[in-house]
Amino acid sequence: AQKITQTQPGMFVQEKEAVTLDCTYDTSDPSYGLFWYKQPSSGEMIFLIYQGSYDQQNATEGRYSLNFQKARKSANLVISASQLGDSAMYFCAMSGDPGRRALTFGSGTRLQVQP
Amino acid sequence: DVKVTQSSRYLVKRTGEKVFLECVQDMDHENMFWYRQDPGLGLRLIYFSYDVKMKEKGDIPEGYSVSREKKERFSLILESASTNQTSMYLCASTAGTASNQPQHFGDGTRLSIL
Repeated sequence: AQKITQTQPGMFVQEKEAVTLDCTYDTSDPSYGLFWYKQPSSGEMIFLIYQGSYDQQNATEGRYSLNFQKARKSANLVISASQLGDSAMYFCAMSGDPGRRALTFGSGTRLQVQP
Repeated sequence: DVKVTQSSRYLVKRTGEKVFLECVQDMDHENMFWYRQDPGLGLRLIYFSYDVKMKEKGDIPEGYSVSREKKERFSLILESASTNQTSMYLCASTAGTASNQPQHFGDGTRLSIL
């Protein structure tokens, strides 16, 4: 079975600073994917970034980067130059269980960006 | 862009009622999912469907059923609503079986059972 752990229920960051949201995972599947989603207060889930288990380089998408450390089973999200609009819930999720097709989600981290 | 549309943003129902939550996607995706989101628990899978009339139980199927009569539509049914089913419900869809496909979500339905 797959498991995602997000140990930070809430985080604060000053505007324009960088912040790292932690995610660790556990799986016995040899091939898997790791995702980060953003959920603003309005409720929609916005896909941010993806990392494949065999990808050699860390994924980046604009101000988002994924710090993937396979041996440590961690997939932390780094947001550079935080903006007020980054205030939201952030979920780490993984795929890979071939019989499941769904994502396994962590419990989320609420990020608040302060001016 | 993929569009996943859930029929209601907010819904209030009474205990014992039969409740239908509807979800429609416009990208011909094979796979559709229903998740439930509760504070501190993240998103938990209720049911998913990988084809018309096909369904698989997720992690918390008790008290729910689903219907997929057409490829674009996936319905979640609360057979006899109970107060512990008050939650945020999210529908998602994705194409194929590759593990690198992000799921596309609807805006969610905040359901209150009184």
